[in-house]
Amino acid sequence: ETGVTQSPTHLIKTRGQQVTLRCSSQSGHNTVSWYQQALGQGPQFIFQYYREEENGRGNFPPRFSGLQFPNYSSELNVNALELDDSALYLCASSLPETGKAFFGQGTRLTVV
Amino acid sequence: DQQVKQNSPSLSVQEGRISILNCDYTNSMFDYFLWYKKYPAEGPTFLISISSIKDKNEDGRFTVFLNKSAKHLSLHIVPSQPGDSAVYFCAASGGSGTYKYIFGTGTRLKVLA
Repeated sequence: ETGVTQSPTHLIKTRGQQVTLRCSSQSGHNTVSWYQQALGQGPQFIFQYYREEENGRGNFPPRFSGLQFPNYSSELNVNALELDDSALYLCASSLPETGKAFFGQGTRLTVV
Repeated sequence: DQQVKQNSPSLSVQEGRISILNCDYTNSMFDYFLWYKKYPAEGPTFLISISSIKDKNEDGRFTVFLNKSAKHLSLHIVPSQPGDSAVYFCAASGGSGTYKYIFGTGTRLKVLA
């Protein structure tokens, strides 16, 4: 039990649609990162939020966007969904000074 | 460009024996390394970490070794237990201060009873 919860756990969307995934971080953690894990691959860094500001971004197009709220929970938004966006999306929360991230169970997104 | 590599996709070990999982990296700016394990239908769970100022870190049955000159780290599990069967990911961070992790592709460990 990491204290990081993600919703929904599973989701099916049609190509071209938009999706919002949600993450509730562990209590007191002010940093949230999002990762995409395709089948058979390791998690790929999408972006990170620190105190409501984007604090680093991986190699993902602008249709991947995010938000962090004052309570440090976060959303990942993906516009114009493509078939290749089908993956497990992981949220991780951390305190920068510990260097250790705690992951949620993930949201399995399927784009058809 | 795979900056963190786990070249063994799978490993089988007898219960009670040692499991050794390997990881190589290419970016000399990495200064913090972690191992995560992942069970099906769950998110990755933090296992153990090591800073680049150390060459060994131990936590119970788990030991991580870091060889900076070879850009190589390994995770030793002794003794291995059936409950250790999972996918193990090596991850590295550093240089940018963003604490983003670069993950390897994982090694599936199967501990045979």
